[in-house]
Amino acid sequence: EIVMTQSPATLSVSPGERATLSCRASQSVSNNLAWHQQKPGQAPRLLIYGASTRATGVPARFSGSGSGTEFTLTISSLQSEDFAIYYCQQYNDWYTFGQGTKLEI
Amino acid sequence: EVQLVQSGAEVKKPGESLKISCKTSGYNFIDYWIGWVRQMPGKGLEYMGIIFPGDSTTKYNPSFQGQVTISVDKSISTVYLQWRSLKASDTAIYYCARRASAEYWGQGTLVTVSS
Repeated sequence: EIVMTQSPATLSVSPGERATLSCRASQSVSNNLAWHQQKPGQAPRLLIYGASTRATGVPARFSGSGSGTEFTLTISSLQSEDFAIYYCQQYNDWYTFGQGTKLEI
Repeated sequence: EVQLVQSGAEVKKPGESLKISCKTSGYNFIDYWIGWVRQMPGKGLEYMGIIFPGDSTTKYNPSFQGQVTISVDKSISTVYLQWRSLKASDTAIYYCARRASAEYWGQGTLVTVSS
């Protein structure tokens, strides 16, 4: 099983700042990597697929990069609605999620 | 508009059976894989299994193989997740999601198993 490791577990930032979230795969997943956002009491929402392609309706302040085993989600200027938990997910070999990064004020 | 609408919350006792549903609309149902994802209380996401409605090909996470059954009814564009004998440890929110990359999610079904 491919293990996805996210860091940090919690990231404290202020509105307007830039946030950088990391995700590492235990073996290469090519670019078969997605990022999902989950707010309390809500279902997750796809933000990024193919490591760097924004899903429909996702604001341009969200960007993804990386390939192979190292990936990054960057939020360029945090808005209040961005405070949530972010999960990376590989879908190259079965489908596994990271443990999540909580973005908090 | 693509929509995945799940059945309502369930409260069951250990040993009981259960079948929850995910009704889809807004696209050609038979063309896209639909999976189920578990989220235990306060925890992360685990992909349980996935089915291709076109031919009912099903793949399971080994951790869930034999514990649940995923099925489909093409006539009503609906995918199901079924348990024969629930355990307290099955208490969780279950989400359906379209495709391996989970491009669309259902709203979730809370399943509570308690004596």
